[in-house]
Amino acid sequence: ELKVEQNPLFLSMQEGKNYTIYCNYSTTSDRLYWYRQDPGKSLESLFVLLSNGAVKQEGRLMASLDTKARLSTLHITAAVHDLSATYFCAVDMNYGGSQGNLIFGKGTKLSVKP
Amino acid sequence: DGGITQSPKYLFRKEGQNVTLSCEQNLNHDAMYWYRQDPGQGLRLIYYSQIVNDFQKGDIAEGYSVSREKKESFPLTVTSAQKNPTAFYLCASRKAPGQGNYGYTFGSGTRLTVV
Repeated sequence: ELKVEQNPLFLSMQEGKNYTIYCNYSTTSDRLYWYRQDPGKSLESLFVLLSNGAVKQEGRLMASLDTKARLSTLHITAAVHDLSATYFCAVDMNYGGSQGNLIFGKGTKLSVKP
Repeated sequence: DGGITQSPKYLFRKEGQNVTLSCEQNLNHDAMYWYRQDPGQGLRLIYYSQIVNDFQKGDIAEGYSVSREKKESFPLTVTSAQKNPTAFYLCASRKAPGQGNYGYTFGSGTRLTVV
């Protein structure tokens, strides 16, 4: 059974600081996703990481994937208040030749304070 | 513009009542999914469907039922057998593998409350 673990689950940061969210998963997977969720809203896609060593950046967020270590990181640079949200990683389970489905971590609730 | 439409946005269910949540997509996606989210938790898979007239149970299918009579539509029924249905429900879709798009598209969600 695939398990996806995120840490930390809660993160309170000051504006301007850097921090990293970690996402570990228990079995081999094809791809990994990062999503953002604002309170009461749906999921907003941030990154799709498709191969070992993949790195993607958008603004103050950078995501990377190490498939050998079964680890993805979401790095936040010089945090601003607008980044306050819950961040989820999700691993795509590919059941043999069939389409996969997403297994989610529990999310990291990020609060950026002035 | 293409997308996924979930309705209603808010739904209230009385004890012992069945309710149906709607999910419609015009993205021509083959696969559709239903997830449940409880407060402070990640999403858990209820059911998924890869083609019309076929669907598979996810991790928490008990007390739920689905149908996939059309490619565009994947309604979820929450039955009276689901004892704790209060949650946020999200529908998602994606293309078949090999079609170059690895992304999932999510609907805006339905918040179900038992009254």
